[in-house]
Amino acid sequence: EAGVAQSPRYKIIEKRQSVAFWCNPISGHATLYWYQQILGQGPKLLIQFQNNGVVDDSQLPKDRFSAERLKGVDSTLKIQPAKLEDSAVYLCASSLDISNQPQHFGDGTRLSIL
Amino acid sequence: QKEVEQDPGPLSVPEGAIVSLNCTYSNSAFQYFMWYRQYSRKGPELLMYTYSSGNKEDGRFTAQVDKSSKYISLFIRDSQPSDSATYLCAMSALYSSASKIIFGSGTRLSIRP
Repeated sequence: EAGVAQSPRYKIIEKRQSVAFWCNPISGHATLYWYQQILGQGPKLLIQFQNNGVVDDSQLPKDRFSAERLKGVDSTLKIQPAKLEDSAVYLCASSLDISNQPQHFGDGTRLSIL
Repeated sequence: QKEVEQDPGPLSVPEGAIVSLNCTYSNSAFQYFMWYRQYSRKGPELLMYTYSSGNKEDGRFTAQVDKSSKYISLFIRDSQPSDSATYLCAMSALYSSASKIIFGSGTRLSIRP
């Protein structure tokens, strides 16, 4: 079974620029999650999708972050404009469904803001 | 007070020792409890997934959940240098149509050969 795929692995941008991350979940997984992991901390959930609908985005800074999951498969997370405090690893995870099935993570995108 | 507390370590033990990792939590609504292992520059890898109180064993790993004390543990027997990593606890509960998932800050573990 192929795992969760994410790209790019690394991204360096200057503050106020925009950036986008891509995620392809495990085949057949209906639920997709985006997390932010700041160095030395555990992952913090930003948004979760069930198929192509958002079920919770309460932790997403909506003035600069946006996410979509077209056709209920791949997902993109965008930051515009980026701030210095957005430097982190952005992790994507998927699970069979929303009912607390275990989540499987990709290796993340490491974002550095200059 | 954080909803999930985890000692960040670092924790260093000799090869072959039994390792005990712990987390406490404050939200009694949490029903599902997970332990993840994270190597440097990699994503978290699921080790154990348990529901409600009790023990679960998988090879050298044993997870314990005590809901009355709001305390979970992960034991690693016969620890190996390859077990050196950061261990994250996580817990979740269902609210309406979404999951509330909170991770601990992680414990850095080093196994000395």
